[in-house]
Amino acid sequence: GAVVSQHPSRVICKSGTSVKIECRSLDFQATTMFWYRQFPKKSLMLMATSNEGSKATYEQGVEKDKFLINHASLTLSTLTVTSAHPEDSSFYICSAIVERDLYNSPLHFGNGTRLTVT
Amino acid sequence: QQQVKQSPQSLIVQKGGISIINCAYENTAFDYFPWYQQFPGKGPALLIAIRPDVSEKKEGRFTISFNKSAKQFSLHIMDSQPGDSATYFCAASGTETSYDKVIFGPGTSLSVIP
Repeated sequence: GAVVSQHPSRVICKSGTSVKIECRSLDFQATTMFWYRQFPKKSLMLMATSNEGSKATYEQGVEKDKFLINHASLTLSTLTVTSAHPEDSSFYICSAIVERDLYNSPLHFGNGTRLTVT
Repeated sequence: QQQVKQSPQSLIVQKGGISIINCAYENTAFDYFPWYQQFPGKGPALLIAIRPDVSEKKEGRFTISFNKSAKQFSLHIMDSQPGDSATYFCAASGTETSYDKVIFGPGTSLSVIP
């Protein structure tokens, strides 16, 4: 159980275009979803926290207008990278939790999306 | 104070050996310490987690040792296998601070050689 599906797994886009990444909890309702960015051989950097039906909370230094997050339902959150540039190329990973008790409801991660902007 | 330090950065262990990864934290409000395993091109997966009310937790070949006074915890992988080759992240979170923000260590790349 507790499967998080992320789509697409890989995407290549041209500079200036926008890319949407979907994160779905397949067998549970996620009260909260998180978006991370990971550079090669580096740790996960939290970008934003999204709760269903409300605005996402962005971490310091993350551009809200650049990385649009929508949490339309308890099973779906989307990250849209707007006007993508080569420096946005990275591995984006989402995660989700059921309850606000990490010990009983650990983070479940998607398999990530490798974004390459040419 | 929100940092989690992790060492070594990379580790090479022979098959059958013990892999040991160490982590340290500063924030005494942290009360949840998970370890994640990540294979190349995949998202991290929870391996094992511990709370500071116990000093050790074992699940199969994986053991977390926790030293609350030293604010340190470590992952031991017994009888390491080539399939264990992955990047391991320790992490910490606090229900009294940002309950839903898990702070990740920088990661350890483990290679188990036959």
